[in-house]
Amino acid sequence: GIQVEQSPPDLILQEGANSTLRCNFSDSVNNLQWFHQNPWGQLINLFYIPSGTKQNGRLSATTVATERYSLLYISSSQTTDSGVYFCAVVMYGGATNKLIFGTGTLLAVQP
Amino acid sequence: SQTIHQWPATLVQPVGSPLSLECTVEGTSNPNLYWYRQAAGRGLQLLFYSVGIGQISSEVPQNLSASRPQDRQFILSSKKLLLSDSGFYLCAWTTGLNTEAFFGQGTRLTVV
Repeated sequence: GIQVEQSPPDLILQEGANSTLRCNFSDSVNNLQWFHQNPWGQLINLFYIPSGTKQNGRLSATTVATERYSLLYISSSQTTDSGVYFCAVVMYGGATNKLIFGTGTLLAVQP
Repeated sequence: SQTIHQWPATLVQPVGSPLSLECTVEGTSNPNLYWYRQAAGRGLQLLFYSVGIGQISSEVPQNLSASRPQDRQFILSSKKLLLSDSGFYLCAWTTGLNTEAFFGQGTRLTVV
């Protein structure tokens, strides 16, 4: 099956710093989503991005489907950005699409 | 707007007891529904998905089952829980092919 790898696995930042999270996938996919899992476990949708670049405030994402990777940029990080960031690739699995999750990047932003 | 509800939020159950987790979606019809499990704080694994009433597909063999008795209701069950069933269970929905997935708030299950 498809492999979805995220790097780095863990990241510690000082408040105000910028960071780049990477998601590599081993096969062609229909689409890709980025999520932020907050300390209470809730998965927050960040981006739904099959290709190209999208921006939402301090966050932006770029997916290069032909090279099988996606990047999530966080600028001017805040303590509320802490949590686990997941990418999930969307694959057609018969009757419906399926999300296959990466292993996540655990981000800790220190004041 | 569409919303998804999961309950309960937390659950502590003894080994061998039954389980029923419920997920409902509001504001849409004929959604695709999914159950995921997250163990040890990382990595979500797809357990079941459903494209319609009574249509259930299982991704991995396990001690759990799923049912979809109504269009917007998805239930995760077990007849006898195992310690290994502990984890964080999340329900998700999409409106069809190539559409964004949204997740409920999850149920944290501890089997003791």
